[in-house]
Amino acid sequence: EAQVTQNPRYLITVTGKKLTVTCSQNMNHEYMSWYRQDPGLGLRQIYYSMNVEVTDKGDVPEGYKVSRKEKRNFPLILESPSPNQTSLYFCASRAGLYNSPLHFGNGTRLTVT
Amino acid sequence: AQTVTQSQPEMSVQEAETVTLSCTYDTSENNYYLFWYKQPPSRQMILVIRQEAYKQQNATENRFSVNFQKAAKSFSLKISDSQLGDTAMYFCAFMKQGNRDDKIIFGKGTRLHILP
Repeated sequence: EAQVTQNPRYLITVTGKKLTVTCSQNMNHEYMSWYRQDPGLGLRQIYYSMNVEVTDKGDVPEGYKVSRKEKRNFPLILESPSPNQTSLYFCASRAGLYNSPLHFGNGTRLTVT
Repeated sequence: AQTVTQSQPEMSVQEAETVTLSCTYDTSENNYYLFWYKQPPSRQMILVIRQEAYKQQNATENRFSVNFQKAAKSFSLKISDSQLGDTAMYFCAFMKQGNRDDKIIFGKGTRLHILP
């Protein structure tokens, strides 16, 4: 089944404790990206990647890191999480065709206390 | 910069009724794509329908259809014969053609309640 797999679904952590949210897709998509969803703000892009070893900042990259060592994986790293990073996070991928839609993972609900 | 505006934060309709969700966008681009995504309580993001700006014909997917007015920069979603399973947050999204930075701009969403 074609899908984007994100883990974990829920994560509660404390300020400053490094964490990684994993994302993997099995559709051989070139593009992958991370979004955060906050009430009243919709979805905002954090980072994106056009291909292996190519990543770039989205609209809200501060406090986040990503890597794209393999085509299928695109982990999101929070080196020192803070409470303002409490949010719902989505990984997404799409094919390189111009009008191809995003395929989303099931989301990760992160709470930083 | 492109912006997407959904002016209805929340709506409620009775089951089996028809409901229209509004979306307007601002862009200077001529070639672009528009999408509606549905997010049910399970929080999955599901593509409902998409429209290419160069196509004059409005897209349709079963009970879902759009009213695309390019000159007015409007892209509303009509849900016919609404069902309880249509209860969800709906996001309108814009992507310019040749979007090598992979940026898709989302509206803030409309929460739709289908009442039994």
